Amino acid sequence: KNEVEQSPQNLTAQEGEFITINCSYSVGISALHWLQQHPGGGIVSLFMLSSGKKKHGRLIATINIQEKHSSLHITASHPRDSAVYICAVRPAQKLVFGQGTRLTINP
Amino acid sequence: GAGVSQSPSNKVTEKGKDVELRCDPISGHTALYWYRQRLGQGLEFLIYFQGNSAPDKSGLPSDRFSAERTGESVSTLTIQRTQQEDSAVYLCASRIAGAYEQYFGPGTRLTVT
Repeated sequence: KNEVEQSPQNLTAQEGEFITINCSYSVGISALHWLQQHPGGGIVSLFMLSSGKKKHGRLIATINIQEKHSSLHITASHPRDSAVYICAVRPAQKLVFGQGTRLTINP
Repeated sequence: GAGVSQSPSNKVTEKGKDVELRCDPISGHTALYWYRQRLGQGLEFLIYFQGNSAPDKSGLPSDRFSAERTGESVSTLTIQRTQQEDSAVYLCASRIAGAYEQYFGPGTRLTVT
């Protein structure tokens, strides 16, 4: 079993829909990251969380440390949100990555 | 300011040849990471440098892989006697000491034929 599990693996939705991507992990961590990888391969850091909730524009990330679970939400989704979203946890100095969720938003 | 840069952006090599990949981290970032992403798979940690400490090499998949870093600047990842399974995008990331956020480079796409 992977230390970091994401669901769903693939998600297709219509423009405007509310999107939720989930991440569960099995190790103790000091931080959790949500990353976005666009089709060209570039990776952008969206959030770094150690507790609670963070919001940036239409993106919201939450974490429940006790349940070892985090969610990434996208409100009013748009085709430009189409990308792979990666959850990564930091048990030590290095990141452990989930397999990613491929999100496709159709116009 | 400049972000993390990597070169080359693409590399095609024949099986059995050695390759060297380069990463220039953000100036002042003491920590540097190498990751690998095979086609359709998630990111895998390879190696981590932090200042003058001994690097964490626990992610290197075989002794054909090695990496060096000169002080707190450029790093090179060397793959000897490349195999087809080495084909992947190799990503470098750096972060500032004491911070969690890593900044990723654009990656080097390695294809071994």
